[in-house]
Amino acid sequence: EAGVTQFPSHSVIEKGQTVTLRCDPISGHDNLYWYRRVMGKEIKFLLHFVKESKQDESGMPNNRFLAERTGGTYSTLKVQPAELEDSGVYFCASSLGTPGGEQYFGPGTRLTVT
Amino acid sequence: AQSVTQLGSHVSVSEGALVLLRCNYSSSVPPYLFWYVQYPNQGLQLLLKYTSAATLVKGINGFEAEFKKSETSFHLTKPSAHMSDAAEYFCAVVRLDSNYQLIWGAGTKLIIKP
Repeated sequence: EAGVTQFPSHSVIEKGQTVTLRCDPISGHDNLYWYRRVMGKEIKFLLHFVKESKQDESGMPNNRFLAERTGGTYSTLKVQPAELEDSGVYFCASSLGTPGGEQYFGPGTRLTVT
Repeated sequence: AQSVTQLGSHVSVSEGALVLLRCNYSSSVPPYLFWYVQYPNQGLQLLLKYTSAATLVKGINGFEAEFKKSETSFHLTKPSAHMSDAAEYFCAVVRLDSNYQLIWGAGTKLIIKP
């Protein structure tokens, strides 16, 4: 069974540019999550999808971030325009619907904004 | 607000020695608790989880953790460290009002000395 995949693994962009991160969850997992780790800080929740619906987007930093989940399958996270403080590692995870159940994580996308 | 505290951003132990990574949580109700590990250049992997069934939880790779409500702790231990245990370890708790959103500690890098 394929795990959670994320693309790209690394991205270096200039301030003001746009970047789109992609996450493919484990097949059959309705729940999809985005997290971010800024260097030296703890991992922070960004948002949670159930199928194609945003269940909780309380962690999204501001309106420069836009997440979508097409047809309840893969998800994209777009940052437009990127700022220096957006640099960090963006993790995607997926899970079945059990409360407190295991979330399966992808390898992350390291985003560097210069 | 809920929080998770991991004592020590770096912990160094000799190969064969006891591993002890500390985690304290803030909550009045026993939550779901997790330990995740991130090996170099890999994604986050679940080591073990506490879901109130038993206070001593055994995980993969010889790790275990003991939930102590009176101390609000969930420390991770392994009797004998191996070189392959070198990684970053994260303690996380499920946010009480969400059942899904993870709140993370800052992580502890485990260094194994030969």
